[in-house]
Amino acid sequence: NAGVTQTPKFRILKIGQSMTLQCTQDMNHNYMYWYRQDPGMGLKLIYYSVGAGITDKGEVPNGYNVSRSTTEDFPLRLELAAPSQTSVYFCASSYGLGVANTEAFFGQGTRLTVV
Amino acid sequence: AQSVSQHNHHVILSEAASLELGCNYSYGGTVNLFWYVQYPGQHLQLLLKYFSGDPLVKGIKGFEAEFIKSKFSFNLRKPSVQWSDTAEYFCAVNAPSGKSTFGDGTTLTVKP
Repeated sequence: NAGVTQTPKFRILKIGQSMTLQCTQDMNHNYMYWYRQDPGMGLKLIYYSVGAGITDKGEVPNGYNVSRSTTEDFPLRLELAAPSQTSVYFCASSYGLGVANTEAFFGQGTRLTVV
Repeated sequence: AQSVSQHNHHVILSEAASLELGCNYSYGGTVNLFWYVQYPGQHLQLLLKYFSGDPLVKGIKGFEAEFIKSKFSFNLRKPSVQWSDTAEYFCAVNAPSGKSTFGDGTTLTVKP
């Protein structure tokens, strides 16, 4: 199994550009998450999904959008990139049974720089 | 709203020293608790987890954590650290809704 796969690994965007960070998992996990990690700030939840067709906002959703059309894929879209979105982005998935009682498996991360 | 507080931002130890990293959470209902580790340049990996039962849980690489419900704590411990334990450690809480919350992390530096 590949686990959680994120693409791209690195990206530089200009202010105002848009892009989609791809995330796919092959573990048939119901739950998927997008986090951003900034130095000394831990992981902040951007959006999460408890199943196909269901998404919900996390702590820092502004400037981002997500969709979950299939169990496997959970892309994150940045519509108008801003320097404040410079960060490392992690996608994760877990097999929640309604009580979210399993650990998360993380992708390798996407390092995004907005200039 | 659920939250996680990690008390130490940066811990520096010599090899063979004992480690304890504090983690407190706030959430009124049933939670699942986790410790993750992130080695330099890598993604997060699970160290250990608590769902129910014995409040003392053992994880990989000699780590253990104790869930104390009355204190809303889930502290991570290791009796004798190694240089290879240098990493960032994150405590996390999962609520039944599926929403997960991470602490800000603790950077551990182990001097050889």
